[in-house]
Amino acid sequence: DSGVTQTPKHLITATGQRVTLRCSPRSGDLSVYWYQQSLDQGLQFLIQYYNGEERAKGNILERFSAQQFPDLHSELNLSSLELGDSALYFCASSVGHVNPHEQYFGPGTRLTVT
Amino acid sequence: AQKITQTQPGMFVQEKEAVTLDCTYDTSDQSYGLFWYKQPSSGEMIFLIYQGSYDEQNATEGRYSLNFQKARKSANLVISASQLGDSAMYFCAMMRNQGGKLIFGQGTELSVKP
Repeated sequence: DSGVTQTPKHLITATGQRVTLRCSPRSGDLSVYWYQQSLDQGLQFLIQYYNGEERAKGNILERFSAQQFPDLHSELNLSSLELGDSALYFCASSVGHVNPHEQYFGPGTRLTVT
Repeated sequence: AQKITQTQPGMFVQEKEAVTLDCTYDTSDQSYGLFWYKQPSSGEMIFLIYQGSYDEQNATEGRYSLNFQKARKSANLVISASQLGDSAMYFCAMMRNQGGKLIFGQGTELSVKP
């Protein structure tokens, strides 16, 4: 158990809908990262937050947004869902945000768009 | 741009034998970090081992060791005394010195035979 929690574990929804994925980092970790894992794209970085502020953006679609709250939990919002958004979405956390450092991953949310 | 290449899509190893999973990377940075993660069939991403680019000694964590050859830009994972529970996908990843996102390879699926 990494100490990172993600809810829900599974989500099935229809095209055009909007969903929210939730992540709680390990105790003491200030950085939260979101990654998407799909068969065709592999593991792709989406976005990073550090202590409530956005630090870095990756290949995140405009239909997707995220935020980190004062209690450090984070939410990833996916809207106007398409079939291609079906993937495993991971949240990871780490203590810092600079210098190479281990990131600890949550169990993931498997999103299926039908 | 940074890139990770794992050329072995799948590998088999006999239980109790050692196995090497290959990873090469491409970067123009002088300072960076290299990581290996394990993803069992249950889906979670488990951190295994970390090597800093300036570390003179190869990293070791229990049965895992990282064979780091900086000049060849390779960071191979060696698993000694393979166990059935080692059957999983293994991902090599890289992080720039500024921290932030992990850049992943495509993964190697390891199967341990009894």
